[in-house]
Amino acid sequence: DAGVTQSPTHLIKTRGQQVTLRCSPISGHKSVSWYQQVLGQGPQFIFQYYEKEERGRGNFPDRFSARQFPNYSSELNVNALLLGDSALYLCASSPRDREGYTFGSGTRLTVV
Amino acid sequence: AQRVTQPEKLLSVFKGAPVELKCNYSYSGSPELFWYVQYSRQRLQLLLRHISRESIKGFTADLNKGETSFHLKKPFAQEEDSAMYYCALSPYNFNKFYFGSGTKLNVKP
Repeated sequence: DAGVTQSPTHLIKTRGQQVTLRCSPISGHKSVSWYQQVLGQGPQFIFQYYEKEERGRGNFPDRFSARQFPNYSSELNVNALLLGDSALYLCASSPRDREGYTFGSGTRLTVV
Repeated sequence: AQRVTQPEKLLSVFKGAPVELKCNYSYSGSPELFWYVQYSRQRLQLLLRHISRESIKGFTADLNKGETSFHLKKPFAQEEDSAMYYCALSPYNFNKFYFGSGTKLNVKP
């Protein structure tokens, strides 16, 4: 089992640019969630998707969007990047809507 | 509003000593509580959840609804327990986690 895989592992972007982060859940897992972890803080919930439908959204601006594909993989998009978007972005997957989550290693985004 | 508080950023103990990592929460309902652990250079992983009432790697945690606490305990700390520990809360509809800011446990030889 490959676990939850995220790509890329590291990314450097300039302010104002757009970024797309990708996540492949564990095989058979239909629920995917995204979290932002700023240095020194715990992960903060951004989105949750189950069976391609958005089931939850955290307190993030509309610049953040996501989607889930038929194969249950997911993308997180962030537009008009700000310096404050620099963080580790974590993806987590779960077999069903109300099960414990398995986390990926994350994508480290640096905005300069 | 829901909140998870871990008052200690760093906790240092000697090997063999008891350890208690504190977690307090605020939530207007019946949440589910978890402890996640992150070892050096590894991904975040589930340590235990209160509904399973399991003991994982010698750690236990009891949910105290009166004090709204979910402290993590281990009677005899080991050096391999050194890691970052996060307490997390999930609302009844279980579609998101609220994490605390984490406590770094350092077990000294």
